[in-house]
Amino acid sequence: QKEVEQDPGPLSVPEGAIVSLNCTYSNSAFQYFMWYRQYSRKGPELLMYTYSSGNKEDGRFTAQVDKSSKYISLFIRDSQPSDSATYLCAMSIYNQGGKLIFGQGTELSVKP
Amino acid sequence: DGGITQSPKYLFRKEGQNVTLSCEQNLNHDAMYWYRQDPGQGLRLIYYSQIVNDFQKGDIAEGYSVSREKKESFPLTVTSAQKNPTAFYLCASSIAGGLTDTQYFGPGTRLTVL
Repeated sequence: QKEVEQDPGPLSVPEGAIVSLNCTYSNSAFQYFMWYRQYSRKGPELLMYTYSSGNKEDGRFTAQVDKSSKYISLFIRDSQPSDSATYLCAMSIYNQGGKLIFGQGTELSVKP
Repeated sequence: DGGITQSPKYLFRKEGQNVTLSCEQNLNHDAMYWYRQDPGQGLRLIYYSQIVNDFQKGDIAEGYSVSREKKESFPLTVTSAQKNPTAFYLCASSIAGGLTDTQYFGPGTRLTVL
């Protein structure tokens, strides 16, 4: 079993839809949770990060963490064609040199 | 402009050859990382370094080697011992390798074994 499991894609939605991207994890030692966005043939870029259980909002994006259920989500409101990319969840543990464990990634396509 | 550069963008290798992928950063970051990305598998850590002249194995280090002689540079050698080297290789750096230090990624090198 992988430490981090991410819902497989691809996911295709119409413009303006609400998108939900999800990851589960097995290691309760994970302390820091991130979402990266990766456009085709590019390196990933950090989209959002959070430490604690609960919601964190940034514009159209909301990151949610439920540590008791070992579950994290990223919600995208009013999705745009420019949101079409692969979304990767990532997690890390204190004092491990910043080592990140990534989910498999979900490819999202937003159709105009 | 500050950032991370990787070269070459595309690399073709014959079986049995070693190849070296370049990664340079001018962000003055102490920590650097190499990841491998395969379709449907996300990113997996190969090696990382938090300081010059020191580095640690990641989850899939077999068949790879690295050096960290300069703060700015962290080259990755894919040796002939790596059984399935065709993949997208990503280099990243962060300020110090701390829990909350953002990792910034380069544009990647796509390696194909012929």
